[in-house]
Amino acid sequence: DGGITQSPKYLFRKEGQNVTLSCEQNLNHDAMYWYRQDPGQGLRLIYYSQIVNDFQKGDIAEGYSVSREKKESFPLTVTSAQKNPTAFYLCASNPGQGRGSPLHFGNGTRLTVT
Amino acid sequence: RKEVEQDPGPFNVPEGATVAFNCTYSNSASQSFFWYRQDCRKEPKLLMSVYSSGNEDGRFTAQLNRASQYISLLIRDSKLSDSATYLCVVDSSNDYKLSFGAGTTVTVRA
Repeated sequence: DGGITQSPKYLFRKEGQNVTLSCEQNLNHDAMYWYRQDPGQGLRLIYYSQIVNDFQKGDIAEGYSVSREKKESFPLTVTSAQKNPTAFYLCASNPGQGRGSPLHFGNGTRLTVT
Repeated sequence: RKEVEQDPGPFNVPEGATVAFNCTYSNSASQSFFWYRQDCRKEPKLLMSVYSSGNEDGRFTAQLNRASQYISLLIRDSKLSDSATYLCVVDSSNDYKLSFGAGTTVTVRA
């Protein structure tokens, strides 16, 4: 079955360490996205990519970095520069062909930084 | 003003009741609208797209009011399994970004 796989499901890190969250999709979607969700808040866009080797900053990109070397993969690195990294991180994809395509989500990575 | 705003609730309703709630959006040029369902500590899942003429999917009815810039979701004959947070999603610009509301929590009690 096609889908989006995020790993790991839970991740614990010490403050000051960089950490990379994995996101892989086999839906043949061009566009991929990273969102962050904090309790009581809506999803906020961190980075998105419409095509391989290209990506754009979302609304809260500071302290994060991404790469898009393959269509299937869009890893997110949470750097030590991110002030409040503890959150639920969601990766999503859609065909990316114009407006109107809903997002398909992975099952998320819950990151805790102490 | 936030791009997408929702009443956070919670809406506590008995089984079999009808519950409805709205979501307002700020960009009059928005063209795509969706309702997602999110269970506690899980990823959002698409419930339904919202079309201009309104649409139904079983017990769920979605409406779009462009003049007042809001969409609505109505759930008929509520089931216990309908308990969840419902997220309103709207495209807010000319690129591919979708904006999410913070969600409306619905709790259906036996």
